[in-house]
Amino acid sequence: AQTVTQSQPEMSVQEAETVTLSCTYDTSESDYYLFWYKQPPSRQMILVIRQEAYKQQNATENRFSVNFQKAAKSFSLKISDSQLGDAAMYFCACNQAGTALIFGKGTTLSVSS
Amino acid sequence: DAMVIQNPRYQVTQFGKPVTLSCSQTLNHNVMYWYQQKSSQAPKLLFHYYDKDFNNEADTPDNFQSRRPNTSFCFLDIRSPGLGDAAMYLCATSRDHREGDTQYFGPGTRLTVL
Repeated sequence: AQTVTQSQPEMSVQEAETVTLSCTYDTSESDYYLFWYKQPPSRQMILVIRQEAYKQQNATENRFSVNFQKAAKSFSLKISDSQLGDAAMYFCACNQAGTALIFGKGTTLSVSS
Repeated sequence: DAMVIQNPRYQVTQFGKPVTLSCSQTLNHNVMYWYQQKSSQAPKLLFHYYDKDFNNEADTPDNFQSRRPNTSFCFLDIRSPGLGDAAMYLCATSRDHREGDTQYFGPGTRLTVL
């Protein structure tokens, strides 16, 4: 069965600094997708970044990038130049053919000025 | 803007009194999902519709039902809410049910059970 583990319940960062959120996963499939979703307080969950497992190149979206280590089953999210609006709960998720999207328990990120 | 809309945003019901939550989408996506999210926890999938085909998760209680009368709308019915059903209920859509398809979430309905 798929599992997704986020070992950091809470993280904090100062504005303009860089922070990395950790995620590990377990799957028996060779083809799957990994996602980071952001859920701000009282606002809807939105996709931050998506990674296809068969692609070696790490995905990037502006200030957000991932470090995808397939052999280690690790998928960390790096946020550069952190902004106050980045404060949210971040969920790592994994999806493979025929199964539901499996979420980790989330990491709450706080950003201070 | 194309989006996923949930109504109401906040719902208060009494123990055992049936309640219906609503979701609509303007994305014309084939798949609609309902998740339950308890405080500071990961969303838990209850069920999903692929077009008109209903797919229930194995551990979803019978107390939870769903209807999808057309492509745009999907409803979550809780027949006899218990105190343990108090949660945020998230609706999401995706174009298809392939592993790479991005899910688009609504803002959620926060259900309180008195």
